[in-house]
Amino acid sequence: AQSVTQLDSQVPVFEEAPVELRCNYSSSVSVYLFWYVQYPNQGLQLLLKYLSGSTLVESINGFEAEFNKSQTSFHLRKPSVHISDTAEYFCAVTSTQGGSEKLVFGKGTKLTVNP
Amino acid sequence: NAGVMQNPRHLVRRRGQEARLRCSPMKGHSHVYWYRQLPEEGLKFMVYLQKENIIDESGMPKERFSAEFPKEGPSILRIQQVVRGDSAAYFCASSPRMETQYFGPGTRLLVL
Repeated sequence: AQSVTQLDSQVPVFEEAPVELRCNYSSSVSVYLFWYVQYPNQGLQLLLKYLSGSTLVESINGFEAEFNKSQTSFHLRKPSVHISDTAEYFCAVTSTQGGSEKLVFGKGTKLTVNP
Repeated sequence: NAGVMQNPRHLVRRRGQEARLRCSPMKGHSHVYWYRQLPEEGLKFMVYLQKENIIDESGMPKERFSAEFPKEGPSILRIQQVVRGDSAAYFCASSPRMETQYFGPGTRLLVL
């Protein structure tokens, strides 16, 4: 079984400041890792994912995340945030072993970017 | 390519009524997942289906909830005799195979 911990439920930052949203996971098997973003009253949009290969993955809008196997982490970073990045961010994992492929989510981090 | 579609977007039911939530996966996707999001919580897995088969229903409540994904038509999540605790946002996701799931906009169920 897997579990995901997002250490910060809310993160307020000012526009153009850097941000890091933390995600740690626990699993007895290897996993795929994902970050999803949810804007108010909308569904989840895939932001980025780690499946294999380079441990640093990037999104098209400036976010990046690094898979750290030894620390079982997949923290999300952006060097300079915009007002439009205000949303809730969810970290999720799924087993690579096949079978159900269900996603296990953290409780989410609400990012608020202030002017 | 249209994304995952869910309807209705909002559904209001009185206690004891039935709720039927529909999900049309992305074209070419044969895997469908249902998740429930309660206030202040992340999404919780409910059920995973492929065409005409339930693969994993370990997250489904034992009573009143059922899901199907017929050969033709959308996937249906059915909640019988709804109670106030069923009020939540229900999200459907689809994928062409293992790995990446793409989510619909959700159905927000309110039970009065």
